[in-house]
Amino acid sequence: QVQLVESGGGVVQPGGSLRLSCAGSGFTFSHYAVHWVRQAPGKGLEWVADISYDGSYKNYADSVKGRFSISRDNSKNTLYLQMNSLRVEDTAVYYCVRENTVGMTTSFDSWGQGTLVTVSS
Amino acid sequence: SSEVTQDPTVSVALGQTVRITCQGDSLRRYYASWYQQRPGQAPVLVIYGENNRPSGIPDRFSGSTSGNTASLTITGSQAEDEADYYCNLRDSRGSPWVFGGGTKLTVL
Repeated sequence: QVQLVESGGGVVQPGGSLRLSCAGSGFTFSHYAVHWVRQAPGKGLEWVADISYDGSYKNYADSVKGRFSISRDNSKNTLYLQMNSLRVEDTAVYYCVRENTVGMTTSFDSWGQGTLVTVSS
Repeated sequence: SSEVTQDPTVSVALGQTVRITCQGDSLRRYYASWYQQRPGQAPVLVIYGENNRPSGIPDRFSGSTSGNTASLTITGSQAEDEADYYCNLRDSRGSPWVFGGGTKLTVL
């Protein structure tokens, strides 16, 4: 079955950096675009970034543009999120999400369990 | 980015029908997808496209769109349907994707 397993979360001071990883299994990782979605404590879902199946296209939410960088290594079936210049408001559970397109319809059909990032002094 | 709005809270009596809505200009161009999130768990896709359910999602869940409003309907609500529900769609401006603020469904 499809599995996405995030790692790399933890506590970091404001202005610090962290790199998240997401290992995909149970499907052909290199065939799918993947996303990062986050959820601050007690808040709703916020889309963060995505990357095309081959890594050639990347998009970012305005809130993270210039600070976060998404990448992937299809030889390792792994997605990454490099987070720099972290702010207190980046504190959230970060989910790795698979994008699936059926016909003209695109949705996020598989989610990891998430990894918690806490930015605090 | 464009705004996508949902009612923050909705309640329904056990066994009754409830509609959860999502409004936004982008819905005139794109279908929404809907996600259920139970406390302490990751979101789960329940409806995508015009009205499609992933394998394993009960047929009491259905979706529809009219104008700038998408709806998730639960026909015959069960206790296990108590959760937060989020709509999600492509954004025609700003960030490529946007989530609604979420609706907390209480089953009475």
